[in-house]
Amino acid sequence: AQSVSQHNHHVILSEAASLELGCNYSYGGTVNLFWYVQYPGQHLQLLLKYFSGDPLVKGIKGFEAEFIKSKFSFNLRKPSVQWSDTAEYFCAVKNSGGYQKVTFGTGTKLQVIP
Amino acid sequence: EAGVAQSPRYKIIEKRQSVAFWCNPISGHATLYWYQQILGQGPKLLIQFQNNGVVDDSQLPKDRFSAERLKGVDSTLKIQPAKLEDSAVYLCASSLDAHNEQFFGPGTRLTVL
Repeated sequence: AQSVSQHNHHVILSEAASLELGCNYSYGGTVNLFWYVQYPGQHLQLLLKYFSGDPLVKGIKGFEAEFIKSKFSFNLRKPSVQWSDTAEYFCAVKNSGGYQKVTFGTGTKLQVIP
Repeated sequence: EAGVAQSPRYKIIEKRQSVAFWCNPISGHATLYWYQQILGQGPKLLIQFQNNGVVDDSQLPKDRFSAERLKGVDSTLKIQPAKLEDSAVYLCASSLDAHNEQFFGPGTRLTVL
């Protein structure tokens, strides 16, 4: 069975600081990887996704993530965070063969201090 | 484009009562998902429909939870009887098909007292 680990449960940063949120997954086969974001009071929405090709994926609002297959990781990065990035971030993995089930991590709450 | 609609947004019930949640997916989306998100955890898939057929309900507690999507559009999720541990946000999501991006609704926050 696939699983997803997000090691940082709560991160506090000052504006303009750089961000890296860890995500590791366990699954032996080919995967699709996602980062979702939930801003306060809003729906879960897709931030970026990796299906194949260039392992460095760029998403909305200046976020990017790098798929490192050998490390089973898909860390989320942003060079300079803003107060408006305060949200909860979820990593998710989907096995790309057969029945494609999505498994979410436990989430990381990011608080950006002005 | 209208998003995924869910109702009610909030529900408070006592244990052993029953409750039902409704979801209207984005028009044309064949795949519909119900997730349970307990405080401090990520969403957990309860059931996935492809049109009106069930694709996966392996994590649905079938002794008390049921879901249907009779005409392949709207869906309802029911809990009967509710337990304290059912307190959570119930999220509905839809996608064009199982290979595409999921769009989430606002969720229903259930509190069981």
